[in-house]
Amino acid sequence: QSVLTQPPSVSGAPGQRVTISCTGSRSNIGAGYDVHWYQHLPGTAPKLLIYGNTNRPSGVPDRFSGSKSDTSASLAIAGLQAEDEADYYCQSYDDSLSTFWVFGGGTKLTVL
Amino acid sequence: QVQLQESGPGLVKPSQTLSLTCTVSGGSIRSGAYFWSWIRQRPGKGLEWIGYVYYSGSTHYNPSLKGLVTLSVDTSKNDFSLMMTSVTAADTAVYYCARLLTSAPNYFDYWGQGILVTVSS
Repeated sequence: QSVLTQPPSVSGAPGQRVTISCTGSRSNIGAGYDVHWYQHLPGTAPKLLIYGNTNRPSGVPDRFSGSKSDTSASLAIAGLQAEDEADYYCQSYDDSLSTFWVFGGGTKLTVL
Repeated sequence: QVQLQESGPGLVKPSQTLSLTCTVSGGSIRSGAYFWSWIRQRPGKGLEWIGYVYYSGSTHYNPSLKGLVTLSVDTSKNDFSLMMTSVTAADTAVYYCARLLTSAPNYFDYWGQGILVTVSS
């Protein structure tokens, strides 16, 4: 059971917009800690997609956007492309006694 | 371009010690701006942060793994290592090394591609 909760899968047709949610609690996202998102193609290194809730590293298309509110965050992908098919993970920091850097369980995006 | 590469045995016997090394290229491990981390993904599970080591040798571990894990750094080789003792089948996972920013927002900006370690006799 991951500390951050994501839907196991989402799907969309090319050109559509999809969102992936990431739900936390008052000891992580709700405590004001930033949320970051990673894109992972199996067999490759996970890639930083969004940092600090809404910021894109250089080279990440502006089709990818992030938001955060209260105890949850979302990743939106507009204008879906076949190459977007991957696993997506959210990550934050947790100040409870259990752990520190925490991740979501991951969401598999399928481009139909 | 910073690159991280994990290396080590892909098969470890139960109760033995798992040892992995992460070699960093394109940047110095001596930079004070980063923590050098290990993360794993067990089959069918999400990502789990294991711990980090700083270039000075100071460490911080996931409390659930404390006592079983030791991280170390070798600045002369520009690499850092993970040792996990008394492994069981539950430690079968893909192990990733990653670079974590020391300042907020703390995110992992570069990752290795991961190494599958299977614990089996």
